[in-house]
Amino acid sequence: GQSLEQPSEVTAVEGAIVQINCTYQTSGFYGLSWYQQHDGGAPTFLSYNALDGLEETGRFSSFLSRSDSYGYLLLQELQMKDSASYFCAVRVFSGSARQLTFGSGTQLTVLP
Amino acid sequence: GAVVSQHPSRVICKSGTSVKIECRSLDFQATTMFWYRQFPKKSLMLMATSNEGSKATYEQGVEKDKFLINHASLTLSTLTVTSAHPEDSSFYICSARVTGDSYEQYFGPGTRLTVT
Repeated sequence: GQSLEQPSEVTAVEGAIVQINCTYQTSGFYGLSWYQQHDGGAPTFLSYNALDGLEETGRFSSFLSRSDSYGYLLLQELQMKDSASYFCAVRVFSGSARQLTFGSGTQLTVLP
Repeated sequence: GAVVSQHPSRVICKSGTSVKIECRSLDFQATTMFWYRQFPKKSLMLMATSNEGSKATYEQGVEKDKFLINHASLTLSTLTVTSAHPEDSSFYICSARVTGDSYEQYFGPGTRLTVT
């Protein structure tokens, strides 16, 4: 089976930098993805790491260390609209299907 | 591109009735669609993987006869909650994978089901 752990809540102020960590235990690991979900909305894809290192996409960056089974999402220059839930998800190959297994989510609150 | 729609966005039904939720890929063909269930402030739990033209693969603990999935075309999958109970009230989200070799999934906007 797969299991992922991430903090349940994080609070930061506008303009700050916040890091959301994710540790995982899984078999058949192919990579780590990050998704953003606003209340009542659809998860939207933010980033994906298949290899060790840092991937940068605008204000968001994601890091992966396969040897440590660990990754993080880094959000810079926080804005109020960044308040949302952030999920890490491992890409696994289960049976004959490529699947995503999601962590429990981190609720980010950005304060003015 | 890669837009996924769901209908209805919200539905209220009485206990014992059935309700159908549609998931459509609007601008691409999806050989595989996924159905998730999400409780408030919780993670997305995969219910089943739906492959066009074949039976869905259900995750452990998901009742096949209660959650009927049909993937009759490359752009449409349906989830029917049969004999609904209040504990079935939840947020149901579908997603579609663009190609067979891709892991990337695009999510629909979700359907809020309330069973009274």
